[in-house]
Amino acid sequence: QSALTQPASVSGSPGQSITISCTGTSSDVGGYNYVSWYQQHPGKAPKLMIYEVSNRPSGVPDRFSGSKSGNTASLTISGLQAEDEADYYCSSYTSSSTPWVFGGGTKLTVL
Amino acid sequence: EVQLVESGGGLVQPGGSLRLSCAASGFTFSSYWMSWVRQAPGKGLEWVANIKQDGSEKYYVDSVKGRFTISRDNAKNSLYLQMNSLRAEDTAVYYCWVSSSPSFDYWGQGTLVTVSS
Repeated sequence: QSALTQPASVSGSPGQSITISCTGTSSDVGGYNYVSWYQQHPGKAPKLMIYEVSNRPSGVPDRFSGSKSGNTASLTISGLQAEDEADYYCSSYTSSSTPWVFGGGTKLTVL
Repeated sequence: EVQLVESGGGLVQPGGSLRLSCAASGFTFSSYWMSWVRQAPGKGLEWVANIKQDGSEKYYVDSVKGRFTISRDNAKNSLYLQMNSLRAEDTAVYYCWVSSSPSFDYWGQGTLVTVSS
């Protein structure tokens, strides 16, 4: 039950775009379109930002977008804003002995 | 409004036990799989366990199998996690989590479990 692989940190200036990758295997990310992305501010619960690879829940700005190619999913944030500074986690359904797996998390710094 | 409120966390010695509770409201609790997810201090999210709507199926991450038991009481709209033989590495904030396709996804505020002598 290995965690999905994410970069530990990414950074960008206000107005720029950044992309966070999430690499798994054919048993999770590559095998299902059940990849989600969560935003977590310090001391807060995670918040769903993207579901089923590329869909945004109501209320999430369209600056947030998701995609997938093979075993790697990606979250792109365009027009970075200071409030986007947070930790981001991907998750995926998996055919392993446990149904869900999370990524290790990526700390986004807005310079 | 969907609400998930965890309770039961605290300081416990290694080898001890603790029972976490999650009170759900604002949705039809008995219609959803429910999960526990934990986050060790400064670390990432780790899915711990989940339980089917009627309690007939339960799944656990390998590291807690045989020590933790997930259960629910649909009459009380409540989810539980019985944690036995606790270890230092179980120290974490434990979140109650409900997620269902397509975008029904809610988390509690979390309850801190600290395992230390």
